[in-house]
Amino acid sequence: SQQGEEDPQALSIQEGENATMNCSYKTSINNLQWYRQNSGRGLVHLILIRSNEREKHSGRLRVTLDTSKKSSSLLITASRAADTASYFCAPETYDKVIFGPGTSLSVIP
Amino acid sequence: DTEVTQTPKHLVMGMTNKKSLKCEQHMGHRAMYWYKQKAKKPPELMFVYSYEKLSINESVPSRFSPECPNSSLLNLHLHALQPEDSALYLCASSLGYGEQFFGPGTRLTVL
Repeated sequence: SQQGEEDPQALSIQEGENATMNCSYKTSINNLQWYRQNSGRGLVHLILIRSNEREKHSGRLRVTLDTSKKSSSLLITASRAADTASYFCAPETYDKVIFGPGTSLSVIP
Repeated sequence: DTEVTQTPKHLVMGMTNKKSLKCEQHMGHRAMYWYKQKAKKPPELMFVYSYEKLSINESVPSRFSPECPNSSLLNLHLHALQPEDSALYLCASSLGYGEQFFGPGTRLTVL
């Protein structure tokens, strides 16, 4: 079974708007990672948040983690057309990373 | 060098063929991974090698056979595949935890 579940499955916004994606997971984790995938290509690591962290920033990305609710969110601010991609959360347990189903983000110029 | 390379980029094979996918990294990572990804689905873990030893095998059919000749190379040998095995096959590497670096993938079509 998948470790991560994401919401929404698809999101369409105008350029300049913010995009928020949510992830829930089921078991204890060491960290939670977010990846981006452009169509048909390899995944690119965006950000990692450790289980003892609550919030992390990287450029236009902001990630939160609530271990009591077993949930995380990814916020992309001031979106650009180049942000159009699929975004996967990936909770990491002691031995592996399991990818959630992903959110397909479309940013309309 | 922070790149993971995969060859070939595309592969078309019949159900009776034998082929191999190759993956290489020179970042000194000791963990390497094979994932299978179907269209509009997340990557599914197939195999993990840690220090050149198979550490995770996610009950993948025996028609897929991984091999790790050394710490920089990872192969996936394919034999007697089925059309449903058509997918994007992704290789990744890491320190053994945390961020994984992915290759661009091999697009496999089984006829």
